[in-house]
Amino acid sequence: TQLLEQSPQFLSIQEGENLTVYCNSSSVFSSLQWYRQEPGEGPVLLVTVVTGGEVKKLKRLTFQFGDARKDSSLHITAAQPGDTGLYLCAAFLQGGYTGANSKLTFGKGITLSVRP
Amino acid sequence: GAVVSQHPSRVICKSGTSVKIECRSLDFQATTMFWYRQFPKKSLMLMATSNEGSKATYEQGVEKDKFLINHASLTLSTLTVTSAHPEDSSFYICSASDGHRGITGELFFGEGSRLTVL
Repeated sequence: TQLLEQSPQFLSIQEGENLTVYCNSSSVFSSLQWYRQEPGEGPVLLVTVVTGGEVKKLKRLTFQFGDARKDSSLHITAAQPGDTGLYLCAAFLQGGYTGANSKLTFGKGITLSVRP
Repeated sequence: GAVVSQHPSRVICKSGTSVKIECRSLDFQATTMFWYRQFPKKSLMLMATSNEGSKATYEQGVEKDKFLINHASLTLSTLTVTSAHPEDSSFYICSASDGHRGITGELFFGEGSRLTVL
């Protein structure tokens, strides 16, 4: 059973379009993270959301944490080819982050392709 | 942000040989390092948790004799794939934490190491 469900799995859009992708779970999280990974590289942290209902913006990327802290969305405005990559949501299970040994669990990821 | 570096970034080896991958935290002391495996277009699967000076903790289904992990210092952890087989071909990624990331936690990831076993 996948704890973090991400959708859609694959998305191919034209440059300039807007998009929203999702990370859903039946579990409540103390925080949730979004990463972007480019081919052949490690994931890079984009944002951490902590408070239910929280909205964080990173240039053209808008992240929202659900009110119940069970889900999150990522909205990209006017997508550009440079946004192409694998978007991963991740969370610390079993009570959240409690220290260095806390294990981060990832969703399956959303592969985004932005065509010029 | 903190820097984690992996070496080598790519390695090709013959079946039956062993390969060592290094993970270094360059500007902080990593009390804990994690090793992940990633198949093409798939998510990261945690293999093991590596603590400095103690034995690694392996996730269910990961063979500890196959994937040897050594965390000999606060800045270096190594993953050795022993007697490699083609099915071990994958992208291996490490991450590190210094344990001082508040309630949200932040892990820093290496660039990954692509292993191809012929």
